[in-house]
Amino acid sequence: SAVISQKPSRDICQRGTSLTIQCQVDSQVTMMFWYRQQPGQSLTLIATANQGSEATYESGFVIDKFPISRPNLTFSTLTVSNMSPEDSSIYLCSVGRGRRETFFGQGTRLTVV
Amino acid sequence: AQSVTQLGSHVSVSEGALVLLRCNYSSSVPPYLFWYVQYPNQGLQLLLKYTSAATLVKGINGFEAEFKKSETSFHLTKPSAHMRDAAEYFCAVSDGSITGFQKLVFGTGTRLLVSP
Repeated sequence: SAVISQKPSRDICQRGTSLTIQCQVDSQVTMMFWYRQQPGQSLTLIATANQGSEATYESGFVIDKFPISRPNLTFSTLTVSNMSPEDSSIYLCSVGRGRRETFFGQGTRLTVV
Repeated sequence: AQSVTQLGSHVSVSEGALVLLRCNYSSSVPPYLFWYVQYPNQGLQLLLKYTSAATLVKGINGFEAEFKKSETSFHLTKPSAHMRDAAEYFCAVSDGSITGFQKLVFGTGTRLLVSP
């Protein structure tokens, strides 16, 4: 299994500011994934983060809004930039173990006021 | 492209009754299919997964699901509901490649309500 720690677990932020979410894994992984879960909706993949290269973003998500860092094989950050109330969501990171299973962090519950 | 449709945003059952949560998928390649559960204010936990082996998959907490290619379905069932089963359930699909297995497309979720 994999133990994933996300920080912060929740935050309330002012519009126009930025928040950086951290994801720490207890073992080395090649890929880390960032998802967004908007209120009452399902999870949507934001981007895939590989160590040593730029993140790959899904349609509808751009690097300027959601910059991602992946400095090593156990850590990644997602920044939500220039926030608006529409960014209020739960943000989750996940990692995989080959084809066996995908593990999720507990999520960061973000409220933008 | 892959997609998942979960029929019914809410399902209500009585404790002890059969649980049936519906999931239909669309995939141009043989899919890998998953059911996840999310308890209030918690992350996602894997219930079970189908990866092209046995079509009837047994998971944790007494849940099971059957892969039916002809119906493009992967419905989740449990013979007898418990109060602790009340949660949000997500069906997800991937394309089975090394990266695809880890990159999931989720359905919109079904909230299971269990009454005494």
